[in-house]
Amino acid sequence: AQSVTQLGSHVSVSEGALVLLRCNYSSSVPPYLFWYVQYPNQGLQLLLKYTSAATLVKGINGFEAEFKKSETSFHLTKPSAHMSDAAEYFCAVTNQAGTALIFGKGTTLSVSS
Amino acid sequence: SQTIHQWPATLVQPVGSPLSLECTVEGTSNPNLYWYRQAAGRGLQLLFYSVGIGQISSEVPQNLSASRPQDRQFILSSKKLLLSDSGFYLCACLTGIGAFFGQGTRLTVV
Repeated sequence: AQSVTQLGSHVSVSEGALVLLRCNYSSSVPPYLFWYVQYPNQGLQLLLKYTSAATLVKGINGFEAEFKKSETSFHLTKPSAHMSDAAEYFCAVTNQAGTALIFGKGTTLSVSS
Repeated sequence: SQTIHQWPATLVQPVGSPLSLECTVEGTSNPNLYWYRQAAGRGLQLLFYSVGIGQISSEVPQNLSASRPQDRQFILSSKKLLLSDSGFYLCACLTGIGAFFGQGTRLTVV
């Protein structure tokens, strides 16, 4: 069975600081991994995805994530936070058949000036 | 590209009333479709998924049901709503690129 654990339900950073949102996964098959962002009262928007190609994945809005099989991790980073990055972020894992799409509980990112 | 339409955007329903939320997909055929519920502080809970017309898998026992009458249509229903059914409901379509979501329906049961 697949699962995702997001460490830290709430992360606070200052504008311009590094953003690090943690995600660890469990999967018995090669996983596909995703990060999504959700702004209030909206659906989820895909930030980036890992599908067994390059382990360092670059996404939209300056975010990137690195797949580390040895650590079963897929942490999301951004070198410099903007106020507009404040939102909820979800890590997700799916099998290649696409019959399971499992999300973490989410991490709320707050950015202060 | 895929587009997912969900309606209505917000809904207030009394306890015991029926529910029907509709989701339609454009830009792809034979998609895998999902219904999620998002409650405050609890992340996304997978309710149902469908890999084809008439094929529904339920992830959790509950007061809700789902149907897929057409390839690009996924419906979430209830015969009698409970207070605990309140939440933000999201429809999603999974493709090789990733999962795409509708804008969600905010359901408040009063």
